[in-house]
Amino acid sequence: NAGVTQTPKFRILKIGQSMTLQCTQDMNHNYMYWYRQDPGMGLKLIYYSVGAGITDKGEVPNGYNVSRSTTEDFPLRLELAAPSQTSVYFCASSGKPQRNEQFFGPGTRLTVL
Amino acid sequence: QQQVKQSPQSLIVQKGGISIINCAYENTAFDYFPWYQQFPGKGPALLIAIRPDVSEKKEGRFTISFNKSAKQFSLHIMDSQPGDSATYFCAAASQGGSEKLVFGKGTKLTVNP
Repeated sequence: NAGVTQTPKFRILKIGQSMTLQCTQDMNHNYMYWYRQDPGMGLKLIYYSVGAGITDKGEVPNGYNVSRSTTEDFPLRLELAAPSQTSVYFCASSGKPQRNEQFFGPGTRLTVL
Repeated sequence: QQQVKQSPQSLIVQKGGISIINCAYENTAFDYFPWYQQFPGKGPALLIAIRPDVSEKKEGRFTISFNKSAKQFSLHIMDSQPGDSATYFCAAASQGGSEKLVFGKGTKLTVNP
């Protein structure tokens, strides 16, 4: 199993550009999450999904959108990138048998200039 | 109500010493308390977790102590090693629903040889 994979690893965007961060898991987990990590601020939940077709906002959803058309994939869309979205983005998943344990991907480091 | 407060922000320990990181929460609905370990350039990974029906859980050199009445829990790393140098996050969640985790801001641990 590859676990949780994320692409790209690094990206530089100009202000106003858009992009999609890809996340795929091969553990057949129902739950998937997107976090952003800023220095000294921990991990903030952006969006989450409890299953295909179901998504909901987390703590910091503004400027982002998600979709969940399959169990495996949970892409995060940034529209009109802003410097405040410069961060490291992590995707995570969880499911049976240990529903509480979240497995994280390696992250995408995004810089908006 | 949803916050998890973590201290200290950084910690330097000598090899063989004990590292102690503390967390406090307010939401009494929380009933799952994990600790995640993150190495530079990697995603967080579950280290150890506890539920409030026990006051202590030990796995090797890592121990969680839990004080339900004080709404506090802590991570103790015995015989700290240079390889333990990482950022540690405490988190909390309530059972059922989306299994969302609320993270502390993290503690950067440095173990000097």
